[in-house]
Amino acid sequence: DGGITQSPKYLFRKEGQNVTLSCEQNLNHDAMYWYRQDPGQGLRLIYYSQIVNDFQKGDIAEGYSVSREKKESFPLTVTSAQKNPTAFYLCASKNTEAFFGQGTRLTVV
Amino acid sequence: AQKVTQAQTEISVVEKEDVTLDCVYETRDTTYYLFWYKQPPSGELVFLIRRNSFDEQNEISGRYSWNFQKSTSSFNFTITASQVVDSAVYFCALSGLSYNTDKLIFGTGTRLQVFP
Repeated sequence: DGGITQSPKYLFRKEGQNVTLSCEQNLNHDAMYWYRQDPGQGLRLIYYSQIVNDFQKGDIAEGYSVSREKKESFPLTVTSAQKNPTAFYLCASKNTEAFFGQGTRLTVV
Repeated sequence: AQKVTQAQTEISVVEKEDVTLDCVYETRDTTYYLFWYKQPPSGELVFLIRRNSFDEQNEISGRYSWNFQKSTSSFNFTITASQVVDSAVYFCALSGLSYNTDKLIFGTGTRLQVFP
């Protein structure tokens, strides 16, 4: 099936740990995006990539890092520098319209 | 700078009522795209519609209709004869076409609750 796959669905992180959220797409889209959503809030852009080996910071990039080594993959690392990482993370790929994965719910324990 | 404003945080209606969700946007681009997405309780965003800035025709899809007015920078979404299954958070979004604006920016969303 074509689409966006995010894994894991739920992730628990201890304070001080880095964790990596996976995002894979088989839609052959050039552009990919990571968003953060807090309870009752909208979607805030973390990072985006228009093409392989290139990416730009969004509005809330501090404490996060990404890579885009393959067209299909755009993993997001939540580093220990991110002070409040508990949130719902959504990945998308886009040609003319964006298609979203099912999200990863990250909780700090 | 690009910006999308959804002033209505939450709307509650009774089934079969019509409801309009407002969206106002800001962009310096002359060519851009506008979108509406639905987020049900499961969390995944569902694409509803894309409109490019050159096409100001209103669109109707079943009980859904969209009113794009470039003069007022608005792209409003109306649900006719609402149903309980329409309960969700609805997001309006904007994307430009130049290098610095070709990113998808969302409004803060409107939570719609439809009661039986």
